[in-house]
Amino acid sequence: DTGVSQDPRHKITKRGQNVTFRCDPISEHNRLYWYRQTLGQGPEFLTYFQNEAQLEKSRLLSDRFSAERPKGSFSTLEIQRTEQGDSAMYLCASRKTGAGETQYFGPGTRLLVL
Amino acid sequence: RKEVEQDPGPFNVPEGATVAFNCTYSNSASQSFFWYRQDCRKEPKLLMSVYSSGNEDGRFTAQLNRASQYISLLIRDSKLSDSATYLCVVTVPYNTDKLIFGTGTRLQVFP
Repeated sequence: DTGVSQDPRHKITKRGQNVTFRCDPISEHNRLYWYRQTLGQGPEFLTYFQNEAQLEKSRLLSDRFSAERPKGSFSTLEIQRTEQGDSAMYLCASRKTGAGETQYFGPGTRLLVL
Repeated sequence: RKEVEQDPGPFNVPEGATVAFNCTYSNSASQSFFWYRQDCRKEPKLLMSVYSSGNEDGRFTAQLNRASQYISLLIRDSKLSDSATYLCVVTVPYNTDKLIFGTGTRLQVFP
């Protein structure tokens, strides 16, 4: 499967713990995006990268959230001191510039904070 | 006002029916428009882009009315497999990387 992959697919944690998610984009896709989706809502943009550079961060991304893409390939999203309100599906997407605007989404990581 | 507004539904229609979804967006300078489909507990997948002149892909027709800031999706001859949530998506002006999603409209096609 050469699509976007995310790991883990599910994560249950206790409030106050730190969690880290990983996203592997489609090979040669230089742009990588993170979105968050809560129940009954559409995905909300969090941040995106052009290669290793983080180009934009949403105001939704509080100080407890940090995203990296150190080598311009995979990306990690870390949430520190998780809160119950962080429970959501975290979606990663990627695309290749110059090859259309379509963003291809991964299966998501479903986070539940108890 | 939400940036993208959709009727959440659900729309319950029999197989073979024609169904239409509407969406409005708040920023008149939005440049790109899409419909994504999302199955239950799955990721969103692009259904079709929406062009100013309107466009069709098989049983699906999308239209854009920039003056009214309104996007529509028409599904003809509904199939059971069309059951899903349909997400209306726009991009912010001058930044096609930031997708703004509506809450989605749920469609349930029954036999």
